[in-house]
Amino acid sequence: QQQVKQSPQSLIVQKGGISIINCAYENTAFDYFPWYQQFPGKGPALLIAIRPDVSEKKEGRFTISFNKSAKQFSLHIMDSQPGDSATYFCAASQVRFGAGTRLTVKP
Amino acid sequence: GAGVSQSPRYKVAKRGQDVALRCDPISGHVSLFWYQQALGQGPEFLTYFQNEAQLDKSGLPSDRFFAERPEGSVSTLKIQRTQQEDSAVYLCASSLDETTNEKLFFGSGTQLSVL
Repeated sequence: QQQVKQSPQSLIVQKGGISIINCAYENTAFDYFPWYQQFPGKGPALLIAIRPDVSEKKEGRFTISFNKSAKQFSLHIMDSQPGDSATYFCAASQVRFGAGTRLTVKP
Repeated sequence: GAGVSQSPRYKVAKRGQDVALRCDPISGHVSLFWYQQALGQGPEFLTYFQNEAQLDKSGLPSDRFFAERPEGSVSTLKIQRTQQEDSAVYLCASSLDETTNEKLFFGSGTQLSVL
């Protein structure tokens, strides 16, 4: 069912570094692309989202870059902190999710 | 409550038993989604309600899965004759805006283990 491919599967970053997670989708009918953060034992929580008419969106340390022609989008976490250690999911129109990226930020 | 509430938090069932999982969305939220999340995987869409109407059930894996939201608020996901492959976390999410379904709020899920 998953039509959204997410990479990498896991990522280790030093504190203060930049974390980058990538996603690619297939269905051009998708029109909303959120990123979710999930901690163990909790449900996903919306982090930031973008629509395809915008190429970039920034909220604090989090930025989404969107490439409509390539059907790809990415999440950049600037100045990564140990508290950012979690699993991150990209999604398309709330019905297709990526398989997740486990991010570990080392102090 | 302030968030989406799911119960029970954990459910252990013997293979072949029927189970019912409950979701209390945020008050006033029109849209309600159910997802299945296997260990180490992303959520898989199961079904979507707008008020009491089930608008999309394309993700339900078999006719053993059934969801309802009779009064447009609380929803129940029922799984009949559970199988081991049904073991997963079942997530419920709600959204205020039924037009865009942006800003989904997720519950913490029900972890179902089928023995």
